[in-house]
Amino acid sequence: KAGVTQTPRYLIKTRGQQVTLSCSPISGHRSVSWYQQTPGQGLQFLFEYFSETQRNKGNFPGRFSGRQFSNSRSEMNVSTLELGDSALYLCASSRALGAAQGTQYFGPGTRLLVL
Amino acid sequence: GESVGLHLPTLSVQEGDNSIINCAYSNSASDYFIWYKQESGKGPQFIIDIRSNMDKRQGQRVTVLLNKTVKHLSLQITATQPGDSAVYFCAESYSGNTPLVFGKGTRLSVIA
Repeated sequence: KAGVTQTPRYLIKTRGQQVTLSCSPISGHRSVSWYQQTPGQGLQFLFEYFSETQRNKGNFPGRFSGRQFSNSRSEMNVSTLELGDSALYLCASSRALGAAQGTQYFGPGTRLLVL
Repeated sequence: GESVGLHLPTLSVQEGDNSIINCAYSNSASDYFIWYKQESGKGPQFIIDIRSNMDKRQGQRVTVLLNKTVKHLSLQITATQPGDSAVYFCAESYSGNTPLVFGKGTRLSVIA
């Protein structure tokens, strides 16, 4: 069974640009969560999608957004990039909504560098 | 708000010894806990999880212990191997559909 896949794996952007990251969950998983990982802040929750609807949102500015498609694939977008957005962006999928309802399995992440 | 913290940022152990990685949580309402292992350049890998109605759960070479009285979680790795070298994260969640809150991580280094 294929795991969570994320594309692209690496990305370099400049300040002010926008970026779209993609995540394909494990087959049969309907929930997709996004996290930002930085050395200083660790793993921080961005948002969770289930059945094409955002169900939970972390404490990030509105520049961070996402969506989920009918096949459960998800994208996240960051507009007006800032240097501080440089991070590893991780996607995790699970069968059900909410961390306690089903184990979350992570993808390899997309490493974003903002110059 | 809730928070999850780790007692030790780094841990070095001899190959073959047992490892114990500790984690403290602050939200007594948390009812689900999970450990992940993250190797360099990879995403977190699920190790083991436990719910608040249990005190102990065992997997292959790993055991998670939950002490709700002192809000403490630990991961025990038996016969630590070089391949166990990684950063280990604990995370917690509470109520039905809330997201995971992660600790900062502990780096485990296995000395051959």
